[in-house]
Order: sequence, then C-alpha cells, then structure tokens
Amino acid sequence: DIVMTQSPLSLPVTPGEPASISCRSSQSLLHNNEYNYLDWYLQKPGQSPQLLICLGSNRASGVPDRFSGSGSGTDFTLKISRVEAEDVGVYYCMHSLQTPITFGQGTRLEIK
Amino acid sequence: EVQLVESGGGLVQPGGSLRLSCAASGFTFRNYAMHWVRQGPGKGLVWVSYIDSEGITTRYADSVKGRFTISRDNAKNTLYVQMNSLRDEDTAVYYCARDGGARAYDIWGQGTMVIVSS
Repeated sequence: DIVMTQSPLSLPVTPGEPASISCRSSQSLLHNNEYNYLDWYLQKPGQSPQLLICLGSNRASGVPDRFSGSGSGTDFTLKISRVEAEDVGVYYCMHSLQTPITFGQGTRLEIK
Repeated sequence: EVQLVESGGGLVQPGGSLRLSCAASGFTFRNYAMHWVRQGPGKGLVWVSYIDSEGITTRYADSVKGRFTISRDNAKNTLYVQMNSLRDEDTAVYYCARDGGARAYDIWGQGTMVIVSS
C-alpha cells in the first residue's frame, strides 16, 4: 500500500499570511499518462470533505485562486497565498494511483 | 442541484449487518464511478470501496474485504454497501463520493453514522 505522510499535522496561521502543507508518498504517484494522481481535500468543521485540487495542481470548480497545488512523483505541496478565517479545518492529501486509495493523516489549520 | 444523500446508518451489535444507501440526484448517475469513504470518531478519512459506472468492477480495502459488498442500481440512481459481520472498528461516519473524473471525489454526501456496539 502507498503510505501518505503529511506535515505539519497542526498549522496555526495569522489571517492574511501564507500557509503551506507538505504531502509525501511512499512511491511515485506519476502515472505513465504523465498525470500525478494526488488530490487535496478540505474538511471544514462539522462538514463533509470538499475537493480543492486534483491531479496534483488542478483547482476544482469554485475553489479560490489563493489555493494552489504543486509537486510531482512523491513530493507535493498545497499552498494558500493568504489565509482567510473560512480556511480553517483539516486538509488531507489522497492518492488515487491504485487501490487501496489512501489518505494522509490530515493537517489541522487554525487561525492564530 | 447535484447531490448525494446517504441513509441507513444506526446502532448495530457486533456481528450484525447493515445496508447503507446513497441516493444521487442532479446528475447522470450511471456515468460515474462511486466510492465509499469512512471516518472513525475523531479520526481521518479511510477509503472503503469502489465501484465502476456499470457496476462490473469493484474494489475493497483489506479491512472490509469479504464482509462488505458494494453495489449500485443505475435505474434507481442509488449506491449501496452491504456490511456484514460488523466489528467495533467499523464504527464511523460513512460517506459516499462521486468519482468526478481523474479519480478525484468531486461530490460527497453528508455522511451516515454507523455505531457497532453491544
């Protein structure tokens, strides 16, 4: 199974400041079609998860452009250019290269 | 409105069975693969099972293989998971999620709680 490791697990951020979350996979998520099968999700308090980024760097519909994803192979990053209060919650990376699909442990973003 | 609505959760004794349903609306259900994902109390997300758009190909996490069965009725726009031989560790909120292409879950239901306890 592919192991997904996120860091940090807790991320206090001042509003207006940038934030960055790392996700590493135990094996490459680069498919031979040249896509990285790595997604980012945000689970806001009391809500279901929502898709932020798919295929490593493609923002989902309706996601603000302050969110961006980058990386390839085994190292990926989610960046928020300027954190807003509504961004609090737990962020998960997930690979879908093969089954079993696995998620990272989650990174809890809180506002300072 | 594109929507997934789970139902069927509840309290069940260890060793018991439960069938969860996920009703889809607002999109052409038969065109999409679907997944079940669960989240234990205070814990992270765990993938459970996958079914392709036609209901032919299925996949399971090792922790549920042989006990859970995923299925779908495209005429009824509904996804199911039959859960047998339930264990304490199956206690979780169960979400259904649409595979929106590129294997990403673009639509999630609100979840249904399953509690396995004597």
